Amino acid sequence: DVKVTQSSRYLVKRTGEKVFLECVQDMDHENMFWYRQDPGLGLRLIYFSYDVKMKEKGDIPEGYSVSREKKERFSLILESASTNQTSMYLCASSLVGSSYEQYFGPGTRLTVT
Amino acid sequence: RKEVEQDPGPFNVPEGATVAFNCTYSNSASQSFFWYRQDCRKEPKLLMSVYSSGNEDGRFTAQLNRASQYISLLIRDSKLSDSATYLCVVNEGGGSQGNLIFGKGTKLSVKP
Repeated sequence: DVKVTQSSRYLVKRTGEKVFLECVQDMDHENMFWYRQDPGLGLRLIYFSYDVKMKEKGDIPEGYSVSREKKERFSLILESASTNQTSMYLCASSLVGSSYEQYFGPGTRLTVT
Repeated sequence: RKEVEQDPGPFNVPEGATVAFNCTYSNSASQSFFWYRQDCRKEPKLLMSVYSSGNEDGRFTAQLNRASQYISLLIRDSKLSDSATYLCVVNEGGGSQGNLIFGKGTKLSVKP
């Protein structure tokens, strides 16, 4: 079974703090993704990576950065958290050469106060 | 803009009912199609892939019409445990073919 883990299920941070969200997958997947999910807006892609050291902006990258130093780990960074970044953050991974189905971690519910 | 459109529901049905969900997608370059299921406050999980010839997995049947860019999911003999949000998903195609485009989901509530 594919396993995608995220460092925290719930996180509360203050406005202006730097926030790190970690994601690790154990199935040697090349592709990794960060999404946020908000009521009425669905899943929105923040950043993705098709390989180590590679990163590409998704649909809503503003206010975020990412790091992929190792194949199994993809980190999302909020440089200066703001209240509009309160959301559910979901990490996913997929295999190159498959039919592109993605496997998700359990999510991190981030609240910025 | 590449989009996937779904009826948000909610669909409220009694146990044992048959229910159908539909979605349309705008990107003709999409090659892979899926239904995901998401329970309340949980992550999305792959329910089934959708193939051109149509496919069935127990009580679930998925259909794809490429010409109309239309995907459907049929659930027969609904169970209480089928209550969830169902997400229609297609891949982006082209240079970002590993990326998926998610519909906003259709909420299903199965009542006793």
